[in-house]
Amino acid sequence: EAGVAQSPRYKIIEKRQSVAFWCNPISGHATLYWYQQILGQGPKLLIQFQNNGVVDDSQLPKDRFSAERLKGVDSTLKIQPAKLEDSAVYLCASSPRLAGGPAETQYFGPGTRLLVL
Amino acid sequence: GDSVTQMEGPVTLSEEAFLTINCTYTATGYPSLFWYVQYPGEGLQLLLKATKADDKGSNKGFEATYRKETTSFHLEKGSVQVSDSAVYFCALSQGGSEKLVFGKGTKLTVNP
Repeated sequence: EAGVAQSPRYKIIEKRQSVAFWCNPISGHATLYWYQQILGQGPKLLIQFQNNGVVDDSQLPKDRFSAERLKGVDSTLKIQPAKLEDSAVYLCASSPRLAGGPAETQYFGPGTRLLVL
Repeated sequence: GDSVTQMEGPVTLSEEAFLTINCTYTATGYPSLFWYVQYPGEGLQLLLKATKADDKGSNKGFEATYRKETTSFHLEKGSVQVSDSAVYFCALSQGGSEKLVFGKGTKLTVNP
C-alpha cells in the first residue's frame, strides 16, 4: 500500500513570496490533516478535511494560509504572503476514520521543509 | 485547552539500557493516547496507542499504560537498541475532530 505522498520535499523562498504544498493521501482515506511542525516543537494541526469538507480550521492563520481538497482526494496548502515565522516542516496525514467513530491511526507523509528568508 | 507535556530531552543511553520517557496530559473528557516515533530522515509513524483507562499499548518491545488517575502515558522499553534512536512524540486525541495534540518530542540517542 502506498503511503502519504507530499511534494516538494524542500522549499526555500523569500518573505512575502507565496508557496504551495501538495499532498496525496492513502487511497480511500476519508480524512486528511495538515500539521505545522516548528523546529523543537511537536506538530500543530492547521486544518482537517473529511472528504472535501473542512472539519476544523481553528488554528489556520486565514489571513495568509489557505487549503483545499478538491474531489475529496488530493489537497494543497498555500501560504501567501510568507513570513519568517512560517519556516517549519509541513506534514500531511490521512486516516480512514469518519467523524464520531473510534480513534483511527493517522498516517503521515515525509513532510515539506520550508525555509523563509 | 488540551495539552501534552513530555520529558525534556535529549536522552542518551547505552545499548541494552532501560528506557522511560515520561508523558502527562491535560484534557477534558477521556482522550485516546498515542506515542509516535520519527526516525532520522523519515516521517512520523505510530508506535503504540491506548484508547481507554488502564489499556496498555505495546509494539516493538515498547509499552505504555493509560493511567487516568495520574493523567500519564509513560513510554518504557526494557532494553534499547541503537536502531531505537529517534524522536518520540506523545499525543492525545479527543472525540469530535480527533485532531492530534502533540508534546514537544524527546530525542533519544542509543550508543553501542
